[in-house]
Amino acid sequence: AQRVTQPEKLLSVFKGAPVELKCNYSYSGSPELFWYVQYSRQRLQLLLRHISRESIKGFTADLNKGETSFHLKKPFAQEEDSAMYYCAPFRAGNNRKLIWGLGTSLAVNP
Amino acid sequence: GAVVSQHPSWVICKSGTSVKIECRSLDFQATTMFWYRQFPKQSLMLMATSNEGSKATYEQGVEKDKFLINHASLTLSTLTVTSAHPEDSSFYICSAAGGGIGQETQYFGPGTRLLVL
Repeated sequence: AQRVTQPEKLLSVFKGAPVELKCNYSYSGSPELFWYVQYSRQRLQLLLRHISRESIKGFTADLNKGETSFHLKKPFAQEEDSAMYYCAPFRAGNNRKLIWGLGTSLAVNP
Repeated sequence: GAVVSQHPSWVICKSGTSVKIECRSLDFQATTMFWYRQFPKQSLMLMATSNEGSKATYEQGVEKDKFLINHASLTLSTLTVTSAHPEDSSFYICSAAGGGIGQETQYFGPGTRLLVL
């Protein structure tokens, strides 16, 4: 069964510090992986997807197939990065859907 | 682009009544729409996936007669909570995908908060 694990429920860092939100997945095949973000009182929005290899708001994520990981990183956290972050692999084939992790709440302190 | 709206944004109803929630893709054609529940400080729970013009696919444990989904057009899907009870109180979120955007990326509505008294 496909699963995704975000081991940290809460991550607290100081402004300017590097941040890494961990995501590990179990999936047979080549997954498409996404990070979604939910800021306070706002809707979920796409942060980035691995296939595009873009850097959004300074965040990057590299797919490591050997470790089955897709950790989200930012070298210098900002207070406005405080939000809930969800890692979600996309399951293709029949019953196509995103598999949601439990999310990591990032708090960036001044 | 890729804006999804939901209506209403919140609703309070009496136990036993039915509530309809609309999800619209405003600037793209959504071949697939998804309905989720989100409990406070928890992750999203997928309820069902609906493809335009066909029956919805419900996740295990979700009662299809309780949560009726209709996806009659490429821009509109509705979720009807029938004979609502207090345990149905939750935050319901829809997302839409497809058309020229691709099947994998989902764009989310702002959610509908339902309170059943």
